[in-house]
Amino acid sequence: GIQVEQSPPDLILQEGANSTLRCNFSDSVNNLQWFHQNPWGQLINLFYIPSGTKQNGRLSATTVATERYSLLYISSSQTTDSGVYFCAVDQIQGAQKLVFGQGTRLTINP
Amino acid sequence: DSGVTQTPKHLITATGQRVTLRCSPRSGDLSVYWYQQSLDQGLQFLIQYYNGEERAKGNILERFSAQQFPDLHSELNLSSLELGDSALYFCASSPGRAPSGNTIYFGEGSWLTVV
Repeated sequence: GIQVEQSPPDLILQEGANSTLRCNFSDSVNNLQWFHQNPWGQLINLFYIPSGTKQNGRLSATTVATERYSLLYISSSQTTDSGVYFCAVDQIQGAQKLVFGQGTRLTINP
Repeated sequence: DSGVTQTPKHLITATGQRVTLRCSPRSGDLSVYWYQQSLDQGLQFLIQYYNGEERAKGNILERFSAQQFPDLHSELNLSSLELGDSALYFCASSPGRAPSGNTIYFGEGSWLTVV
């Protein structure tokens, strides 16, 4: 099946810093979503972005489908941005399910 | 609020017991997905239903079963529970029969602790 690798596994930053999270996937995909899991366990949709670039406030994402990677940018980090960020993909060929990466744990210190 | 409702939010039960987790999808969504999140396995796909029929199956144990009812709500039944079944169980929904082309929204999860 498709492999999804996220980097870095852990990231610790000061409030106000910018960060870039990366998601590499091993095959062509129909669906790519970024999620934020907050400290209470909730999985919050950030972007549906199988290709192209999207922005939502301080967050933006870019997926380069031909090169099989996606980037999530967080600018001017706030403590509420802390949590785990997951990338999930649906492979074009194969079982139709979202496959999740292992996540990037982001800690924003005040 | 994603619009996906899961109950109960927390559940503590003993080994060997059986529990049922319930999910109501977003209005208009026909697909329901179940995922398990444990510390050592990450987020694992269990099973998907589309409009009442099983559509895709993942790493679901034989002790686990699910169904989707005519009103589109779904239940995940976990039986002969073991300590290792302790996890956060998510339900998700989407409009279409497959993840492609659809944003999939997750509920808040059901925390299951087996003691």
